[in-house]
Amino acid sequence: ELQLVESGGTLVQPGRSLRLSCVISGFSLEDYAMHWVRQAPGKGLEWVSGINWNSATVGYADSVKGRFTISRDNAKNTLYLQLNSVKLEDTAFYFCAKDKSSSWYGWANWFDSWGQGTLVTVSS
Amino acid sequence: QPVLTQPPSASGTPGQTVTIFCSGDKFNIGSDTVNWYQHVPGTAPKLLIYSDNQRPSGVPDRFSGSKSGTSASLAISGLQSEDEADYYCATWDGTLHGPVFGGGTKVTV
Repeated sequence: ELQLVESGGTLVQPGRSLRLSCVISGFSLEDYAMHWVRQAPGKGLEWVSGINWNSATVGYADSVKGRFTISRDNAKNTLYLQLNSVKLEDTAFYFCAKDKSSSWYGWANWFDSWGQGTLVTVSS
Repeated sequence: QPVLTQPPSASGTPGQTVTIFCSGDKFNIGSDTVNWYQHVPGTAPKLLIYSDNQRPSGVPDRFSGSKSGTSASLAISGLQSEDEADYYCATWDGTLHGPVFGGGTKVTV
């Protein structure tokens, strides 16, 4: 059975850092691009970041560019998101999602499996 | 503001058909295929429709998608109580160089 399990969400003060993890099972992580998508309270889904199968290409939403870093360790079946200089507006559930292809960038892509999310709360 | 526009809510009684519309422009829906996701808060979002009108294995044929120009739609026929969820359209945006979502439509049965 294909599973994605996020962890690392917590209460954090503005300006601080934290790292989210997503452990996968049931498929070979090295075959697929991966993404992080978030949902702020009362809001819709927002794409945050994507990384292709070999980490050669990454992308970020403008709202997090320069503050967040996506990475992966295929040997450990784990996807990461480093959140630095967090802001109040980063408060959200963060979901990891599997791409249908090996590249995150481009047309005709979709997210065919998702985790249940981990909650990040930014507050002083 | 979400790049793709959806109505915030839709409702129907059991057995009815509900249709959700998603509007974009030539740089997103007008240039790429549309996907739809179902999300029950507190659970993992689920891929419902991909490539405008294709259903993944396991998705009932009560769910159907279509696209015309810069708009897309999701129809849920034979509405059931278990269909209560938030529904999101999504596609690639050529100006933002990334995936974009609609604001979501809450379906009430």
